[in-house]
Amino acid sequence: DQQVKQNSPSLSVQEGRISILNCDYTNSMFDYFLWYKKYPAEGPTFLISISSIKDKNEDGRFTVFLNKSAKHLSLHIVPSQPGDSAVYFCAATDRDDKIIFGKGTRLHILP
Amino acid sequence: KAGVTQTPRYLIKTRGQQVTLSCSPISGHRSVSWYQQTPGQGLQFLFEYFSETQRNKGNFPGRFSGRQFSNSRSEMNVSTLELGDSALYLCASSSTSGAGEQYFGPGTRLTVT
Repeated sequence: DQQVKQNSPSLSVQEGRISILNCDYTNSMFDYFLWYKKYPAEGPTFLISISSIKDKNEDGRFTVFLNKSAKHLSLHIVPSQPGDSAVYFCAATDRDDKIIFGKGTRLHILP
Repeated sequence: KAGVTQTPRYLIKTRGQQVTLSCSPISGHRSVSWYQQTPGQGLQFLFEYFSETQRNKGNFPGRFSGRQFSNSRSEMNVSTLELGDSALYLCASSSTSGAGEQYFGPGTRLTVT
């Protein structure tokens, strides 16, 4: 049973527009959430994180929103740039510090 | 600082063989985690080592094992390889155990024939 779900395997967005990547989770014990970005032939790189005590965290063009009641988080990228084309993984950790990743969403930024 | 390094980058083995993968974390990082990435399953957590002790383990069979040395370098071993073990194996290091930002290596692409 997947505890972290990224239901969209891929997403295409026009350059300059907003990209919204979604992630749902089932375990209410998760208390820390992270987003990673992965280019082909490279390991994932950390993008942004959010603690369960917050509902928003912003870093430049990247903002993560957390809706605990809906067990949903989203990553907003604005404006989207060609270099943002990659696979994005949502991850969550529980109090045992075990990290669970989603299956990823492939983002295509269209010119 | 040098990043996380993994060796070898590519490996081809046959069913039934065993394989050992190596990971050198970022200097000063004491936590090393291993992940398996496959197209259908995404990134799946294998185990985490911190200061030479296994702290956490994912849902993988006992054929998958690991260890960490006193210099924080880690090895992962897979015995009796199966075709389904073909995957990208990623190692990540962190200064603290568990939650928090991890730094990933480029991975080892294992192909089992």
